[in-house]
Amino acid sequence: AQSVSQHNHHVILSEAASLELGCNYSYGGTVNLFWYVQYPGQHLQLLLKYFSGDPLVKGIKGFEAEFIKSKFSFNLRKPSVQWSDTAEYFCAVNEGPGRRALTFGSGTRLQVQP
Amino acid sequence: DGGITQSPKYLFRKEGQNVTLSCEQNLNHDAMYWYRQDPGQGLRLIYYSQIVNDFQKGDIAEGYSVSREKKESFPLTVTSAQKNPTAFYLCATGTALGPDTQYFGPGTRLTVL
Repeated sequence: AQSVSQHNHHVILSEAASLELGCNYSYGGTVNLFWYVQYPGQHLQLLLKYFSGDPLVKGIKGFEAEFIKSKFSFNLRKPSVQWSDTAEYFCAVNEGPGRRALTFGSGTRLQVQP
Repeated sequence: DGGITQSPKYLFRKEGQNVTLSCEQNLNHDAMYWYRQDPGQGLRLIYYSQIVNDFQKGDIAEGYSVSREKKESFPLTVTSAQKNPTAFYLCATGTALGPDTQYFGPGTRLTVL
């Protein structure tokens, strides 16, 4: 079965620091990849997604992610974090045209200190 | 996001009682999903439906049941057979065609006392 690993469970950064959150998945076929964010007290929101094409994708609020097929990875990056980026971040995958339901990682709680 | 309604936001039930969580959408999406979120475990799929009158079990369907009588609605019943029902429940919708982005509702936090 598909699995998604997020190795950083809790990350604490100061404002203006750079961010990279790791995401690895196990499925070897065609995948669609997503990063979602859950701000305190808010809905789960889509940050960015990769379906095909340029492996470097840009999302909202200055986030980007790079799909590296050979490493089964889809890491999330932001050059300079802000206090408002404090949230929980989830990587998710679904298996191409087959199963559309998402398999989620366990999440990374990001705390940005002013 | 704005087109998915989950009610109530907080729900309390006694152990042994069945409870039904509501999910309604006005996005005209064919697919609907129920996920359960527990601290440190991410979201796990309970049930999903890609079309009216059809639904499939997800990874943790035991102790849950669903129906899909209308395109707009996908209620989830948490039965007394669910051993650990206290959790945050999220409903999502998607287009069910090609690569699909899912949109999530605000969630219902169920506490079983």
